[in-house]
Amino acid sequence: KAGVTQTPRYLIKTRGQQVTLSCSPISGHRSVSWYQQTPGQGLQFLFEYFSETQRNKGNFPGRFSGRQFSNSRSEMNVSTLELGDSALYLCASSLAGAAEAFFGQGTRLTVV
Amino acid sequence: AQRVTQPEKLLSVFKGAPVELKCNYSYSGSPELFWYVQYSRQRLQLLLRHISRESIKGFTADLNKGETSFHLKKPFAQEEDSAMYYCALSPNFGNEKLTFGTGTRLTIIP
Repeated sequence: KAGVTQTPRYLIKTRGQQVTLSCSPISGHRSVSWYQQTPGQGLQFLFEYFSETQRNKGNFPGRFSGRQFSNSRSEMNVSTLELGDSALYLCASSLAGAAEAFFGQGTRLTVV
Repeated sequence: AQRVTQPEKLLSVFKGAPVELKCNYSYSGSPELFWYVQYSRQRLQLLLRHISRESIKGFTADLNKGETSFHLKKPFAQEEDSAMYYCALSPNFGNEKLTFGTGTRLTIIP
């Protein structure tokens, strides 16, 4: 079965722009989580969606938002980009009520 | 709130030597603990979880509730073990989101 798919794989944006990242979970998985991965901070939790509802939210500013569609696909949006937003953004999906997460390959965002 | 600490950012070990990657956590309830691994140019993937008590690729990890630790061990390191390792915790018997440590980059010296 297909794994978690994230698009695009690479993005270059300028400061002040906004960006939308997409994640398609494994078929049957209803929970989608987003993480920011940087060399200095490791993996930091952004938010989790389950059945189109945000279930958990990490400690990120309001510029970071997301949503989940009825087919469980999820999007993440970052507005007013800052240089510090440059990172690898990872999406993970899991079955409802199970913590084992399956990760996508990530979207590498570079803000210049 | 829960917290996961991996005290070593970098760890270098000679091939054939024992490996121990440290992980400590703080959580007052019943957590489930995991180790995830990220090999070069591959996606992050589950290595093992404490509840299954398995040995994967020669690695084992024992949950020590008294010391709140979940160290990852392997008796004889292999070159293919070089990777980034993350310890993670899920509260409430594993039914909630994962909290990750900052990771340890393991390098096996040939």
